[in-house]
Amino acid sequence: AQSVTQLDSQVPVFEEAPVELRCNYSSSVSVYLFWYVQYPNQGLQLLLKYLSGSTLVESINGFEAEFNKSQTSFHLRKPSVHISDTAEYFCAVSLYNQGGKLIFGQGTELSVKP
Amino acid sequence: GAVVSQHPSWVICKSGTSVKIECRSLDFQATTMFWYRQFPKQSLMLMATSNEGSKATYEQGVEKDKFLINHASLTLSTLTVTSAHPEDSSFYICSAQPLGLAGGSNEQFFGPGTRLTVL
Repeated sequence: AQSVTQLDSQVPVFEEAPVELRCNYSSSVSVYLFWYVQYPNQGLQLLLKYLSGSTLVESINGFEAEFNKSQTSFHLRKPSVHISDTAEYFCAVSLYNQGGKLIFGQGTELSVKP
Repeated sequence: GAVVSQHPSWVICKSGTSVKIECRSLDFQATTMFWYRQFPKQSLMLMATSNEGSKATYEQGVEKDKFLINHASLTLSTLTVTSAHPEDSSFYICSAQPLGLAGGSNEQFFGPGTRLTVL
């Protein structure tokens, strides 16, 4: 069975500090990997995704994630966070040719303090 | 592009009544829509996969007679919570997978969610 583990439930950081949100997955088949962000009382927004090709993927707002197949990880990083990055972040995997069903991690609450 | 709406955004109902939640893809067609449930401070749990013109596929432990799903067109899926009880109170989120992406990137676009409170 497939699973996604986000190792940190809460990550408090100060503004302009770097941050890493960790994500590990378990799967016997190839997967697509996603990071979603959720602001309070809102749905999910896609932050970035890994489908194939370059293992380093970037978002338009400065986040990046690197797919590491040997470590089955897809950690999310940002070199300098803003107050506006405060949100819940979810890592998810989707199996090849499985109709798009997403398996989510438990979520990491990023709290950026001034 | 790729906007998904949900209606209503929040609803309060009495125990025993039924509530219908709509999920629409506004600028694309979706062969597949998904329904998720999210409890406070928790992750999303997939409830069912809805395919246009066919019966929904429910995840283990989800009562199909309790949570009725209808995917009548390529832009609309509805979730009806029948005989709602306080334990059904939750945040319900739908997502839609654009036509032509099945088996491809599997990308989904999420609605803003519906908060259901059953008194």
